[in-house]
Amino acid sequence: RKEVEQDPGPFNVPEGATVAFNCTYSNSASQSFFWYRQDCRKEPKLLMSVYSSGNEDGRFTAQLNRASQYISLLIRDSKLSDSATYLCVAISGNTPLVFGKGTRLSVIA
Amino acid sequence: EPEVTQTPSHQVTQMGQEVILRCVPISNHLYFYWYRQILGQKVEFLVSFYNNEISEKSEIFDDQFSVERPDGSNFTLKIRSTKLEDSAMYFCASSRLGSEGGQFFGPGTRLTVL
Repeated sequence: RKEVEQDPGPFNVPEGATVAFNCTYSNSASQSFFWYRQDCRKEPKLLMSVYSSGNEDGRFTAQLNRASQYISLLIRDSKLSDSATYLCVAISGNTPLVFGKGTRLSVIA
Repeated sequence: EPEVTQTPSHQVTQMGQEVILRCVPISNHLYFYWYRQILGQKVEFLVSFYNNEISEKSEIFDDQFSVERPDGSNFTLKIRSTKLEDSAMYFCASSRLGSEGGQFFGPGTRLTVL
């Protein structure tokens, strides 16, 4: 059972580009949504929570579409340091996080 | 900024040996978790721990695994008799409010079973 589905990529974009990832979730009862990033052989790091009204943190914007059951992450002005795998999470209540394989992003100079 | 720490960073062991992986969660967090990631695969949930007891565990977390919070700061994962397929990165995570508040991961312990 896949809780979330993402395009695995890789997304290869030049520095300065805008890139967007979508993630669909299967459980319509999901209430909490997050984006994590994971660098190669490192731990997942919480990038941002996703709120119903959408939220922004610097160059990153997260959106939630409950009707279509997807969340999105937009990265503006991509930096080389944004290269990583981006993992979305959708949970219902206080349940463990279930990760997919994520979307791999490579920002190229 | 407070962070989750884990020791050792890399553990090499012989098949059949016991290993204990250690974690120090963020100090005001109440929920603790172990995850693992086999190389090239996704991060998988093992167990969650709250109020000094296991609150949930996955099918991976069989009788060979146990967790303990021996004091007010450490959270350990023990694998009683390691198998080759236990080789993976093991991540500890903690959360103040449970999963809904987001979980914060430690840097992981790379376990290699020979």
